[in-house]
Amino acid sequence: NAGVTQTPKFQVLKTGQSMTLQCAQDMNHEYMSWYRQDPGMGLRLIHYSVGAGITDQGEVPNGYNVSRSTTEDFPLRLLSAAPSQTSVYFCASRPGPTLYNSPLHFGNGTRLTVT
Amino acid sequence: AQTVTQSQPEMSVQEAETVTLSCTYDTSENNYYLFWYKQPPSRQMILVIRQEAYKQQNATENRFSVNFQKAAKSFSLKISDSQLGDTAMYFCAFMTFIQGAQKLVFGQGTRLTINP
Repeated sequence: NAGVTQTPKFQVLKTGQSMTLQCAQDMNHEYMSWYRQDPGMGLRLIHYSVGAGITDQGEVPNGYNVSRSTTEDFPLRLLSAAPSQTSVYFCASRPGPTLYNSPLHFGNGTRLTVT
Repeated sequence: AQTVTQSQPEMSVQEAETVTLSCTYDTSENNYYLFWYKQPPSRQMILVIRQEAYKQQNATENRFSVNFQKAAKSFSLKISDSQLGDTAMYFCAFMTFIQGAQKLVFGQGTRLTINP
């Protein structure tokens, strides 16, 4: 059971480039989300999805797009990378809302540097 | 809006000592869940302990326990007999459901160092 798998682990981009961070989970979780982690700011929610075909914005959505065509996958797209998007990105999932006390299961993170 | 505050950016203790990490939160909700996550240098986020707000009994997981004070909106983590492997960033997190939608907020983190 792989859990939540994120790729790549590291990425360096130039300003203006685009890329997609991949996230896949094999636990049949309904809820998936993307966070960014910056020093002194904890984890901030970028986008989330409560099921296939449903996505919504989190706290810091600007500059990022997501889609959820399957239950398993939740890619995060940077259309035009900016230095302010240099961060560590985490994908996380959990079962549907009926399992109230289920915690988030995290991937191992992607360290992104935009120069 | 829900907020989570960890007032200790860094802490350092000797191996085998007991250490307490502070966390306070602000919410008008009555039903919610609290979590402590550990992030070692490997960057992986690991669940340490969880607490349901409707439970008065403090959660315990081996050397880890919490002091949950609902009226004071406080959720501190106590690590007993600390070990070198406890060195990590620790994040407090608050989760509730509003109109069926999950709301999860993290604190800023506390960097804990266990010294030999």
